[in-house]
Amino acid sequence: AQSVSQHNHHVILSEAASLELGCNYSYGGTVNLFWYVQYPGQHLQLLLKYFSGDPLVKGIKGFEAEFIKSKFSFNLRKPSVQWSDTAEYFCAVNGPRYGNKLVFGAGTILRVKS
Amino acid sequence: SQTIHQWPATLVQPVGSPLSLECTVEGTSNPNLYWYRQAAGRGLQLLFYSIGIDQISSEVPQNLSASRPQDRQFILSSKKLLLSDSGFYLCAWSGQTYEQYFGPGTRLTVT
Repeated sequence: AQSVSQHNHHVILSEAASLELGCNYSYGGTVNLFWYVQYPGQHLQLLLKYFSGDPLVKGIKGFEAEFIKSKFSFNLRKPSVQWSDTAEYFCAVNGPRYGNKLVFGAGTILRVKS
Repeated sequence: SQTIHQWPATLVQPVGSPLSLECTVEGTSNPNLYWYRQAAGRGLQLLFYSIGIDQISSEVPQNLSASRPQDRQFILSSKKLLLSDSGFYLCAWSGQTYEQYFGPGTRLTVT
C-alpha cells in the first residue's frame, strides 16, 4: 500500500539544538513532497514543498528539507530550534503512483524545552 | 487572497443523530476540495475529494457522505452518527498546483 513513514512520533529537544525529522515514502517515480506544520491551536500550514529542481528546498522559519531520490526520503531539518517550533509536523507525498492524492505520514510531535 | 472557512468549530452530537459540516472557499474558482479526518498519531485520512460540482470520490467506505452543491462549498454529512465518527475533520482546497491549503477544522464528539 502507498505509505509515508515518519520515523519518530515524539521528539523532545532543548532550544538551540539541531533538528532532523525523517520521512520516507514507498513509491518512486515522479513525486511532489511537502512538509506541513500544525502549531498548538492553529490550523495545518504548509512549511515547504518540493516539485522539481534543486533537491534542497528552503521553507519558512529557517526550515529546510532535502530530497534524496535514491533513498526515497525527504527529511526536514533546522540548525537551531526555538521554543516556538513546538508543533506537530507532517510529511506528505503525491504523484501519479499515489493516485495524485496527498498521502500523509502519521506526524511527529516536536516539543522544544526552553 | 484565498481563504477557507469551516463551521462549526466544535460539535457535540448524540449517537444516531444527523451531521452536517460545512466548508467554503473564497478567492478562487473551481478548486479541488477535500475532506480529511485527523486522528492522533495516525496523520490525516482522506475521506472524500471533489474536482467539480457533483463530482465526488469516496476514499473510505464509512458512515459519512459528501456533497458539493456549489463550486466553493463542500459539505460532510451523516444520517446517523456512530461513536467511531468522533474526531477532528479538516477541509482543504487545491488549485492548479499540487499543494493543499487547510481550514481550521471541526472537532466532533459523538456521545
